[in-house]
Parts: sequence; C-alpha cells; structure tokens
Amino acid sequence: DAGITQSPRHKVTETGTPVTLRCHQTENHRYMYWYRQDPGHGLRLIHYSYGVKDTDKGEVSDGYSVSRSKTEDFLLTLESATSSQTSVYFCAISGRQTNTGELFFGEGSRLTVL
Amino acid sequence: SQQGEEDPQALSIQEGENATMNCSYKTSINNLQWYRQNSGRGLVHLILIRSNEREKHSGRLRVTLDTSKKSSSLLITASRAADTASYFCATVEGRAAGNKLTFGGGTRVLVKP
Repeated sequence: DAGITQSPRHKVTETGTPVTLRCHQTENHRYMYWYRQDPGHGLRLIHYSYGVKDTDKGEVSDGYSVSRSKTEDFLLTLESATSSQTSVYFCAISGRQTNTGELFFGEGSRLTVL
Repeated sequence: SQQGEEDPQALSIQEGENATMNCSYKTSINNLQWYRQNSGRGLVHLILIRSNEREKHSGRLRVTLDTSKKSSSLLITASRAADTASYFCATVEGRAAGNKLTFGGGTRVLVKP
C-alpha cells in the first residue's frame, strides 16, 4: 500500500467553524490531490498540488483552500464549514513524476457539518 | 461535471458469472483508468489504457477502449464474492498536466455467493 495517511478519519463539526484535513505521504511523490465523494457525483477534484507551494484549483474549489509547505503534507482547509461540505474527502498522490499515471488514494476523511 | 458516466449504476450477479460495465466520456483523452472501491475504503487502481490502445488485460480483468465512440468497458470474468465493490472509470484529458483525473459516478457490483 502507498504510504498515505489522512487525519482525522472522522469529524463532526458545526456550521461556521473552520476545519483542516491533513494528508501525509511517505512516498516523496510530487503530485497530491484532494477529492470529495458524494452520492450521485462520484469523485470531484477540489484542489491539487504539483510541488511545494505550488497548488491549483479543481472543479469544486469554492469554500476550500489548500497549503503545501512540505513535500509530504497537503492540507485542506474549510474556512467556515457549511452543511453542503458534508462529504467524504479523499487525498491521492500521483505514482509518477510526470503526468498520466495512476493515483494512490488514502482511506478517506468523513466530515459531517451540522 | 462528470467526464465519465458508468452504466449500469448497479449490477447484481452470481459468483462465477462475468460482470461487464461501461463508461462513456465527453472529451478527447490521454488515457482512461478503472478503479475499485470497497465499502468504506479508498479507491484502488485496477488498470490504465492509453488512447492509442484498444484492449488490455490484467488477470481476470479485460478493458476495451473505443475512442471513436468515446467509450470503454470493463469485464470481470469468473467473478468472486470478493469482487463486490464499486467500480469507477476516470479519464485524463488530452495534454492535461498533473494527472488530473475526472471520475464517473461508478457502478456498484454485488457478487452473490
């Protein structure tokens, strides 16, 4: 298994509170991604990173920010959580230095916003 | 928006039967990938087929790609109870950098013993 750890694995929070999800990898891969998974929508890309301090927006980036200060850590922040952000969040890393390769996924972080 | 759309959304078969699921996509692609997700777990990569390939095999898996129809199929032969999972297709578009995969909604497969 690829060395990807997500934390926390489960979190319940209230509307309006900030939330940070952490993805930690031990594979020294360049690319890291945050996806959310919702019934009927499959997985949708939130943000991704192609190196330290290099990030870009995905399909559903509104309400989310990311940071990558070290190769191994990619943080996803919800500045003010809303009920529509209740979801399962997956971190993934790319298996190669160049594009078009497979992704390795973490086990997911289930977030409930009340 | 989803690039890939899987069909059917759900599939129930007996152990030993073959399972076939299809994926359609909208734009030109660099490659198409299939992933499996067991309940409550992360996705696991199964197979990747490039835009210049038409068929690929991996164990009991067979993937076809028809770029003229913008569609792919995944066949699981001699299914086992352990194959019960959701299966997702994902595409990398054209010259997209950074492995940005776009996923379909998935097919839920139930293999009954």
